[in-house]
Amino acid sequence: AQTVTQSQPEMSVQEAETVTLSCTYDTSESDYYLFWYKQPPSRQMILVIRQEAYKQQNATENRFSVNFQKAAKSFSLKISDSQLGDAAMYFCAYRSVYNNNDMRFGAGTRLTVKP
Amino acid sequence: EAGVAQSPRYKIIEKRQSVAFWCNPISGHATLYWYQQILGQGPKLLIQFQNNGVVDDSQLPKDRFSAERLKGVDSTLKIQPAKLEDSAVYLCASSLVPQGTYGYTFGSGTRLTVV
Repeated sequence: AQTVTQSQPEMSVQEAETVTLSCTYDTSESDYYLFWYKQPPSRQMILVIRQEAYKQQNATENRFSVNFQKAAKSFSLKISDSQLGDAAMYFCAYRSVYNNNDMRFGAGTRLTVKP
Repeated sequence: EAGVAQSPRYKIIEKRQSVAFWCNPISGHATLYWYQQILGQGPKLLIQFQNNGVVDDSQLPKDRFSAERLKGVDSTLKIQPAKLEDSAVYLCASSLVPQGTYGYTFGSGTRLTVV
């Protein structure tokens, strides 16, 4: 079964600085999707960025970008020019293309942004 | 477009009582998911519906949990009787594409406390 590991329970960054959140996963599948979700105190999970495993190019969304290393099964999230509103829990998630079920989430990383 | 609606937002019950949560997905989204998020953990899938049929309920504790999706739209998740370990946030999500490869849209969840 696929597992997702986020080894950093907590991270902090100074406003306007850059921070990288780590995620590794375990799978025997060759094609899949990876996601980063943000969960603010409102509890709503918000999709930040999405990566298709068969695409070598790293996904970017404004200040958010990923470093996808397929061979290493690593999927880190870089937040540039951090803003106070970026403070939240961040979850990495894995989704199989062969299995209709079960988007698997990591345990999350709590990001604090210092003014 | 309107988001995924969930109610109630908070619920406190005593153990052995019953409780029900309601979810209204985004209009036109055929796939609906219920996730359980225990404090300090990532969300875990409980059940997935495709229209009004169950796709996967392998992780649903069927001795106490039940769920239905009325006419392929709204869904209700019930716990009877509740245990202390059921204390968690219950998240509902929906997706347009059945495999959810474009990510899910989540509601704000119901925080359940069992005392």
